[in-house]
Amino acid sequence: EVQLVQSGAEVKKPGESLKISCKASGYSFTDDWIGWVRQMPGKGLEWMGIIFPRDSDTRYSPSFEGQVTISADKSINTAYLQWSSLRASDTATYFCARPNAYDYYFDFWGQGTLVTVSS
Amino acid sequence: EIVLTQSPGTLSLSPGERATLSCRASQNIKSSFLAWYQQRPGQAPRLLIYGASSRATGIPDRFSGSGSGTDFSLTINRVEPEDFAVYYCQQYGGSPPHTFGQGTKVDIK
Repeated sequence: EVQLVQSGAEVKKPGESLKISCKASGYSFTDDWIGWVRQMPGKGLEWMGIIFPRDSDTRYSPSFEGQVTISADKSINTAYLQWSSLRASDTATYFCARPNAYDYYFDFWGQGTLVTVSS
Repeated sequence: EIVLTQSPGTLSLSPGERATLSCRASQNIKSSFLAWYQQRPGQAPRLLIYGASSRATGIPDRFSGSGSGTDFSLTINRVEPEDFAVYYCQQYGGSPPHTFGQGTKVDIK
């Protein structure tokens, strides 16, 4: 059974750094892409980017390139999303999700990680 | 970047009625690479439809998708109480980003 288990909620101050995680199980982590989706409070879904853990090939949405870093550690089947300097506007729930093996729709989702940035 | 526009923003229905949701793309989506997701409050999205018209595993047959090119729709026949949620379309054809529409909320009349 495919499972994506995300790290817990975070409360941070503006300017702080953060790295959240998504641990995958039930499939071959290095054979599929894995991605991140943002949902700001009361708003819709935004596609952030995807990474192929085998070679760390990463594709970002232009809206997020340079704002976040997506990475993966294939030794522990875990993907990451990180910020070097958080802003209040980064307050959102972040979902990791696995694109289907043959196409790029997301067939499995993590439970979401709520990130709150407030002074 | 392909922009997806969903309509209506909110659809108010009674249980048992039919829901028709629209998703229009700013440019042609090749090979009908269009998916639909359902998101209930406090939950992660759930895949309903991929390839514009193929139901995902375990999705009831009251959900159906259709369309091609730039115009797509999701139909829910005989809406059940658990179907009141927000629905998103997503295009995944071509290079990233694989954008989402802004969502349609189906609520109880």
